Amino acid sequence: DGGITQSPKYLFRKEGQNVTLSCEQNLNHDAMYWYRQDPGQGLRLIYYSQIVNDFQKGDIAEGYSVSREKKESFPLTVTSAQKNPTAFYLCASSIVAGALDGELFFGEGSRLTVL
Amino acid sequence: AQSVAQPEDQVNVAEGNPLTVKCTYSVSGNPYLFWYVQYPNRGLQFLLKYITGDNLVKGSYGFEAEFNKSQTSFHLKKPSALVSDSALYFCAVRDSSDSNYQLIWGAGTKLIIKP
Repeated sequence: DGGITQSPKYLFRKEGQNVTLSCEQNLNHDAMYWYRQDPGQGLRLIYYSQIVNDFQKGDIAEGYSVSREKKESFPLTVTSAQKNPTAFYLCASSIVAGALDGELFFGEGSRLTVL
Repeated sequence: AQSVAQPEDQVNVAEGNPLTVKCTYSVSGNPYLFWYVQYPNRGLQFLLKYITGDNLVKGSYGFEAEFNKSQTSFHLKKPSALVSDSALYFCAVRDSSDSNYQLIWGAGTKLIIKP
């Protein structure tokens, strides 16, 4: 079945360590996104990519990095510079980046806990 | 400034009764409006969208939403609630005048359907 696969579902990290969250899609979508979700808040955009080898910062990019070497893959690295990384991370995709009417398709999320 | 408001953190409804989850928005251009649902520890699922045309939009799982331009609202409704409708609901908007085409998210409303 087509969809978005995020891994791992749960991840624990010690302070000072970098961690990479995987996001793979087989929907042939051009655009991919990373969001952060905290309790009681809406989704906040970390990074997005409209095309391979190109990505842009979202509202809360500090302490995060991404790459888009393949259309199917958009991994997110949470670096030690991120002050409060404990959160639920959601990867999403859409068919065409600039389509105003395009809905997002989401993965199941990755819950990161910093010990 | 672009914004989305979901004025109720939580809505409680008895099974079988009609439900409404409220959403108001503020954009400069034309709004493109979306509703998503999130079950615990899962990703978001698309429910429905308003782009243009009829103000009443029908979506998945028997949900519908009414676009009201004068009140800048896009409330989610269902004639008869099911216990399985209990979840977190998010309203989102894109602004046609925003060159970044990014979604603006509400904070979410927790819907609890009691048997």
